[in-house]
Amino acid sequence: DQQVKQNSPSLSVQEGRISILNCDYTNSMFDYFLWYKKYPAEGPTFLISISSIKDKNEDGRFTVFLNKSAKHLSLHIVPSQPGDSAVYFCAASARNNNDMRFGAGTRLTVKP
Amino acid sequence: NAGVTQTPKFRILKIGQSMTLQCTQDMNHNYMYWYRQDPGMGLKLIYYSVGAGITDKGEVPNGYNVSRSTTEDFPLRLELAAPSQTSVYFCASKEQRDQPQHFGDGTRLSIL
Repeated sequence: DQQVKQNSPSLSVQEGRISILNCDYTNSMFDYFLWYKKYPAEGPTFLISISSIKDKNEDGRFTVFLNKSAKHLSLHIVPSQPGDSAVYFCAASARNNNDMRFGAGTRLTVKP
Repeated sequence: NAGVTQTPKFRILKIGQSMTLQCTQDMNHNYMYWYRQDPGMGLKLIYYSVGAGITDKGEVPNGYNVSRSTTEDFPLRLELAAPSQTSVYFCASKEQRDQPQHFGDGTRLSIL
């Protein structure tokens, strides 16, 4: 069962515009959410996280929003840069469990 | 710091062969994980460990075994390689539960 879903396999935006990547989850026990970025032939690297006690976390150009009632989170990148072109994974974990579940990823392309 | 190191980077196996994917981390992290990533899919958790001597199954453990005799090392063993195990394997570690994982660069495994 896929507990974390990223329904958009790809997204293309113009440099300087906002990129919005979406993620939905089904397990109401999830309380810690992360976004990872992955370049080809490399492992995922951590980007930003949010705990369920918050609804927003910001780090420079990256902001993650959490809507617990909708079981939805999103990553906003403003302004988007060509170097942001990568695959972005959403991940979640639950307090009563030590594992982590990942979405299938969204490939972001930022065009100059 | 080397972080999380995976060896080998690439390997081709014949059906029925066995091999061990090595993973070592130099950050003294308690938590370690093995994932596999199939094309167009997210990361699926194979096994994880919350400390030396403790291992647990993830989503897709069948066909694999792990051990955690030291804090640093978390090898993944394939006993009887099958074509369905062709994938990219990632090892990750983290210090505490509500912290992001650090990933290695992956092992690309093909079974023919």
